[in-house]
Amino acid sequence: EAQVTQNPRYLITVTGKKLTVTCSQNMNHEYMSWYRQDPGLGLRQIYYSMNVEVTDKGDVPEGYKVSRKEKRNFPLILESPSPNQTSLYFCASSRDREAGELFFGEGSRLTVL
Amino acid sequence: QKEVEQDPGPLSVPEGAIVSLNCTYSNSAFQYFMWYRQYSRKGPELLMYTYSSGNKEDGRFTAQVDKSSKYISLFIRDSQPSDSATYLCAMSAAGGTSYGKLTFGQGTILTVHP
Repeated sequence: EAQVTQNPRYLITVTGKKLTVTCSQNMNHEYMSWYRQDPGLGLRQIYYSMNVEVTDKGDVPEGYKVSRKEKRNFPLILESPSPNQTSLYFCASSRDREAGELFFGEGSRLTVL
Repeated sequence: QKEVEQDPGPLSVPEGAIVSLNCTYSNSAFQYFMWYRQYSRKGPELLMYTYSSGNKEDGRFTAQVDKSSKYISLFIRDSQPSDSATYLCAMSAAGGTSYGKLTFGQGTILTVHP
């Protein structure tokens, strides 16, 4: 089954404790991205990657890091989480960057205390 | 001002009603227009995809794009309780640094009650 898998789905952590949200897709997609979803603000892009070893900032990259060492994986790293990073995070992939059809994971709800 | 504004929210309709969901935008470079549906505790999934102006129909769903007014709509005919979800409009430009980047509206929560 074609899918984007994120882990963990739910996480409560404390300020400053580094964490990683993993993302893996099995569709051989080149393009992957991370979004955060907040009430009243919709989905905002954090980082995206057009291919292995190619990443770039989205609209709200502050406080986040990403890496793309393999085509299928695109982890999101919060080096020192803060309460304003409490949000619902989605990883997405698409066949290429031109395609509007993003395939989303089921989301990771992160709470930073 | 947000680049994409979505209204109304939230929306509650009886089963069988025609639903109209709308978005306005300010960036004239947007050429690709999409509607995503998001069920509770799930990721968004693509519902409709249109390029430039015009209409596109798929079953009970019709997407309309009016680039001259910078306005897009999604119509749902004969709405069903299973249509209850959050609907997100999304847009992207072609070329340049915006290439492939989607800008989303805030989303409209739709509830269809039996």
